Amino acid sequence: EIVLTQSPGTLSLSPGERATLSCRASQSVNNNNLAWHQQKPGQAPRLLISGASKRATGIPDRFSGSGSGTDFTLTIDRLEPEDFAVYYCQQYGRPPWTFGQGTRVEVK
Amino acid sequence: QVQVVESGGGLVKPGGSLRLSCAASGFTVSDSYMAWIRQAPGKGLEFVSYINSGGTYIGYADSVRGRFTLSRDSAKNSLSLQMNSLRAEDTALYYCVRGRPELDYWGQGTMVTVSS
Repeated sequence: EIVLTQSPGTLSLSPGERATLSCRASQSVNNNNLAWHQQKPGQAPRLLISGASKRATGIPDRFSGSGSGTDFTLTIDRLEPEDFAVYYCQQYGRPPWTFGQGTRVEVK
Repeated sequence: QVQVVESGGGLVKPGGSLRLSCAASGFTVSDSYMAWIRQAPGKGLEFVSYINSGGTYIGYADSVRGRFTLSRDSAKNSLSLQMNSLRAEDTALYYCVRGRPELDYWGQGTMVTVSS
């Protein structure tokens, strides 16, 4: 199975700063079928990005995804108070689908 | 409006069984990938099982293969997860999720607790 490793585990930033989250795959992700999900406390996850770089419906353009093959990045420009949450990458290119362990973005 | 609603969770003893259901509205289950994802208390997300849109493939995580069975009911526009031989480590919030195949609509989850 494809193992996804996210870094850092926790990111401490202030509102207005840029967040850069990394997701590295143990094997190449087919067709760049890599998604990013956001989860806030007590809520279900929400899809942010699919296909490595395509924003989901209603997702603000301060969220962007990039990368291919085994290295992927989620960037959040100008952090808003509602962006402090846990972010998971997930590959759906090859079964079994797998998730990274998550990156927590917290207020500094 | 796309919606998925899970039900069937509860408290069960180790070795017991439970059947989770997922009722879908606003889309057709048989035209979609559908998945079960779980999250143990305070932990990350874990893939459990999924079915492709054609219904020709059902995948399972190694941790549940042989114990869990995913099925789909086109007439009821629903998804089920039959869970047998439950273990303490199966304790989690179980989410039903629509896929395209990217997981784009998540339910609120149903809690399964395995404890004596």
